Amino acid sequence: NAGVTQTPKFQVLKTGQSMTLQCAQDMNHEYMSWYRQDPGMGLRLIHYSVGAGITDQGEVPNGYNVSRSTTEDFPLRLLSAAPSQTSVYFCASSSRWGDTQYFGPGTRLTVL
Amino acid sequence: AQSVTQLDSQVPVFEEAPVELRCNYSSSVSVYLFWYVQYPNQGLQLLLKYLSGSTLVKGINGFEAEFNKSQTSFHLRKPSVHISDTAEYFCAVTGNSGGSNYKLTFGKGTLLTVNP
Repeated sequence: NAGVTQTPKFQVLKTGQSMTLQCAQDMNHEYMSWYRQDPGMGLRLIHYSVGAGITDQGEVPNGYNVSRSTTEDFPLRLLSAAPSQTSVYFCASSSRWGDTQYFGPGTRLTVL
Repeated sequence: AQSVTQLDSQVPVFEEAPVELRCNYSSSVSVYLFWYVQYPNQGLQLLLKYLSGSTLVKGINGFEAEFNKSQTSFHLRKPSVHISDTAEYFCAVTGNSGGSNYKLTFGKGTLLTVNP
């Protein structure tokens, strides 16, 4: 049982490049979320999903896209990276709403 | 919508001293409350949570928190800290009525530093 996995661990992009941050969980959790963590800002919700095929926006969705085609995977896409997207990104999952969220180890992204 | 205020950004304490990390929240609906801990260069892990029932909640590593609805607070306490408790602590809230309330809102974090 690997829990929540994220790839890559580190990534450097140039402004305007696109990329996908991968997130997978093997706990059969319905709920999955993406957060970004910036110094002094805590964690801010980007997008979340309450099940396969269902996604919704969080607090800071601009510049990011998500989809949920399977229960296990919840990728986060940056279509045109900007320096303001330099951050640490965490994926999390939980079995049901209100339950404990399990976090992945994070992806540290730098946009030059 | 919900919001969380962690009243101290940094809390330095000496080993074996008691500590309290303060958290206040606001919400138009009833809430679930959480404390998470983040050790350096790691993801977050749950310390404890309040869903319903007893307002005093016990968590891992000797931490506990008390839900005070009248003061909209959920302060985290430990009677005697260890060096290994040095980490960043996050308070979080979500509405308990589902639907659009399924958004876990985090505070900005409190860095607890335990000195020898």
